[in-house]
Amino acid sequence: TQLLEQSPQFLSIQEGENLTVYCNSSSVFSSLQWYRQEPGEGPVLLVTVVTGGEVKKLKRLTFQFGDARKDSSLHITAAQPGDTGLYLCAGVRRGGGNKLTFGTGTQLKVEL
Amino acid sequence: DAGVTQSPTHLIKTRGQQVTLRCSPKSGHDTVSWYQQALGQGPQFIFQYYEEEERQRGNFPDRFSGHQFPNYSSELNVNALLLGDSALYLCASSKIPDDSGNTIYFGEGSWLTVV
Repeated sequence: TQLLEQSPQFLSIQEGENLTVYCNSSSVFSSLQWYRQEPGEGPVLLVTVVTGGEVKKLKRLTFQFGDARKDSSLHITAAQPGDTGLYLCAGVRRGGGNKLTFGTGTQLKVEL
Repeated sequence: DAGVTQSPTHLIKTRGQQVTLRCSPKSGHDTVSWYQQALGQGPQFIFQYYEEEERQRGNFPDRFSGHQFPNYSSELNVNALLLGDSALYLCASSKIPDDSGNTIYFGEGSWLTVV
């Protein structure tokens, strides 16, 4: 059973469109991180959210942590081809000692 | 300020052989975790080292072992390699484990192919 479910699994959109990726769980996390990964490379940290209801913005990317700290979302405005990649959410459970549990991943392709 | 560095970047091994992968954590970090990422999947936690001891372990067999040195760098060893061990092995570094939203950084990974 996957602890963190991401949706959609695949997303192919045109440049300029908006999109939202969801990361859901029945478990509570003390913190949640979002990463973007290019083929053959390691995940690159985008953001860490800690507080329930927290919203963080990184240019065209908006991240939200659910009030109950069981879910999160990533919204991209006006997507660009450079946003193409695998988006991973990963959570740390209370007492988990920085052990990350990763979501199933969302493969995003933004076309011209 | 160097980030997380891993070596080698790519390697090919034969079934039954042994492999050692190396990781240097980000400056100021003292905790190293190792993850295995199979093609098309998210990373899976192997184990974590802090103060030169294994602190947590995921669901991996004893063929997977590790070590942390006094300078916080770490090694991942895999014995009796199987074809299914082919994957990207990622090293993650952070500060002393806690629940305060500690930032965790990954290296570029080591691609292992077992033939």
